[in-house]
Amino acid sequence: QVQLKESGPGLVQPSQTLSLTCTVSGFSLTSYNVHWVRQPPGKGLEWMGRMRYNGDTSYNSALKSRLSISRDTSKNQVFLKMNSLQTDDTGTYYCTRRAGPFDYWGQGVMVTVSS
Amino acid sequence: DILINQSPASLTVSAGEKVTMSCKSSQSLLYSENNQDYLAWYQQKPGQFPKLLIYGASNRHTGVPDRFTGSGSGTDFTLTISSVQAEDLADYYCEQTYSYPLTFGSGTKLEIK
Repeated sequence: QVQLKESGPGLVQPSQTLSLTCTVSGFSLTSYNVHWVRQPPGKGLEWMGRMRYNGDTSYNSALKSRLSISRDTSKNQVFLKMNSLQTDDTGTYYCTRRAGPFDYWGQGVMVTVSS
Repeated sequence: DILINQSPASLTVSAGEKVTMSCKSSQSLLYSENNQDYLAWYQQKPGQFPKLLIYGASNRHTGVPDRFTGSGSGTDFTLTISSVQAEDLADYYCEQTYSYPLTFGSGTKLEIK
């Protein structure tokens, strides 16, 4: 069955870089797009960016200067790196498969930016 | 960017009541080439990830109970729950899937009396 699972540090210091991994199973990264969506505590959803099935990427312009998404198809993994983290980057980070809408989501990983 | 205005921010109803919530888009989400509206609805229960309810404005995702109905076209969309159940306690988000950057409404919090 289709599964996505995020992993990464729960705590990041301000100005440091966040590195997250999304490990997928049940589908191929060369057939589906995988996106990252985040959610500050108690707030709504924000689209961050995507890794397309063909390896192309696109980003939310508000984050583009700080964000990078890459993948390793042999390991079924998609990676997110975002630098210069600030406290308002605190939240839950989700990876999600897109087949039209977002049809499968990971459980999410909570990231706190704090010293 | 396409802006999505979602309302109300919250509503409280009794089990069995009918509920409607709205999403209004800053531009049409109707793609003329295929006459399809690119609007999705998600349900996020407390402490959980969002789950797809409706896509293409009115198509229920696999396994979604038929008490959930999506309607509307162009810029105005509605999610209706015909008879609310206690398990429907959640935040509901709409999302425009028409163009990038993808954008979400700010959510409607549904509480049960």
